[in-house]
Amino acid sequence: QVQLQESGPGLVKASGTLSLTCTVSGDSISTYYWAWTRQSPGKGLEWIGYIYAGGSTNYNPNLKSRVTISADTSKNQFSLTLTSVTPADTAVYYCARSVPAFDIWGQGTMVTVSS
Amino acid sequence: DIQMTQSPSSLSASVGDRVTITCRASQGISSFLAWYQQKPGKVPKLLVYDVSTLQSGVPSRFSGSGSGTDFTLTISSLQPEDVATYYCQKYDSAPPGFTFGPGTKVDMK
Repeated sequence: QVQLQESGPGLVKASGTLSLTCTVSGDSISTYYWAWTRQSPGKGLEWIGYIYAGGSTNYNPNLKSRVTISADTSKNQFSLTLTSVTPADTAVYYCARSVPAFDIWGQGTMVTVSS
Repeated sequence: DIQMTQSPSSLSASVGDRVTITCRASQGISSFLAWYQQKPGKVPKLLVYDVSTLQSGVPSRFSGSGSGTDFTLTISSLQPEDVATYYCQKYDSAPPGFTFGPGTKVDMK
């Protein structure tokens, strides 16, 4: 079955760069959309952006200036980079397959931005 | 940009009650609307996509309906395991993208 697993540092310093990778098994990232979503503690879901078929991207306008989503098809992974982070970026970050509804999610990874 | 709202923000209901959650888009979004369930401390789960199509494995007491700007998730007979927060999401290409609604928290009375 299709599985997604997020990986990356759990602690990032303010003003630094948050980098996460999602490893996909059971499906190819060359199909569908592959998305990142986050959830700050006690808050709702916030869509960050997606990459489609290993190439084109679309980002939440509220984060667009700081976000890059890229893909490595040889490793079947896609990645999130968020620059100039602040404590407001502290959240659980989820990757998901988007068909385009988000039918399969990773377990999520908590990232804390320290001031 | 299209804004998504949900009502109510929270509700309490008894076992067996019919529960209705509303999602409204500020502009028409055709049929590109999904509903998710998130239990405390858990990963969100897709319940309904394309407004009314039930995801495989989701109990039939869940149903979705609506069109244009107004959409509804209904739980026909609330069960204890349905305690969760429910989110709608649009996934059309119109800005600002695959936006989620703010969520509706469902508790047991």
